[in-house]
Amino acid sequence: EAGVAQSPRYKIIEKRQSVAFWCNPISGHATLYWYQQILGQGPKLLIQFQNNGVVDDSQLPKDRFSAERLKGVDSTLKIQPAKLEDSAVYLCASSLEAAGSQPQHFGDGTRLSIL
Amino acid sequence: GNSVTQMEGPVTLSEEAFLTINCTYTATGYPSLFWYVQYPGEGLQLLLKATKADDKGSNKGFEATYRKETTSFHLEKGSVQVSDSAVYFCALGHNQGGKLIFGQGTELSVKP
Repeated sequence: EAGVAQSPRYKIIEKRQSVAFWCNPISGHATLYWYQQILGQGPKLLIQFQNNGVVDDSQLPKDRFSAERLKGVDSTLKIQPAKLEDSAVYLCASSLEAAGSQPQHFGDGTRLSIL
Repeated sequence: GNSVTQMEGPVTLSEEAFLTINCTYTATGYPSLFWYVQYPGEGLQLLLKATKADDKGSNKGFEATYRKETTSFHLEKGSVQVSDSAVYFCALGHNQGGKLIFGQGTELSVKP
């Protein structure tokens, strides 16, 4: 089966600019996650979707980050305006359902550098 | 709250050495436990998992046992190869909603 697709792979922007990332999960996976991975740390959840509804966005900095999954398939994550501290790898993952025992399948991520 | 603590790296071993990477967790309820591996420039790949106490997960020569009494899920491999060089993450699967809570990762470097 095709894996989780993410684009772009790399993005360099200046602070205060905006940026958007795209994710296409594995076909049939109802649950989609966006994680932020800062260099040297483990990934941290930003937002979780179940189909096209938000399940958990408690760690999403909503003053600058937004995400949507309008048709319950692919998703976009946007940052506007970007800050230096947003430099990180943004990982998208999907799973069949939102259960703790379900393994998540990760894309290769988007590496964001803020100048 | 829920959390995962891993031994700090980097860990440097010679080929064919024995590997242990320690992982302990704090959780409410009965989480599932995972090990993921991340090769340079790539996303995370599931290495193994265990969903209940005393379960042993295994894959590619790696194994880990879910120990509820010591709240641990240590990763072991009897004989590492150069190709095992990567960053290893221990993670807890939250039983409410399914999100993963990761440790900070342990970098493994295997020398020929």
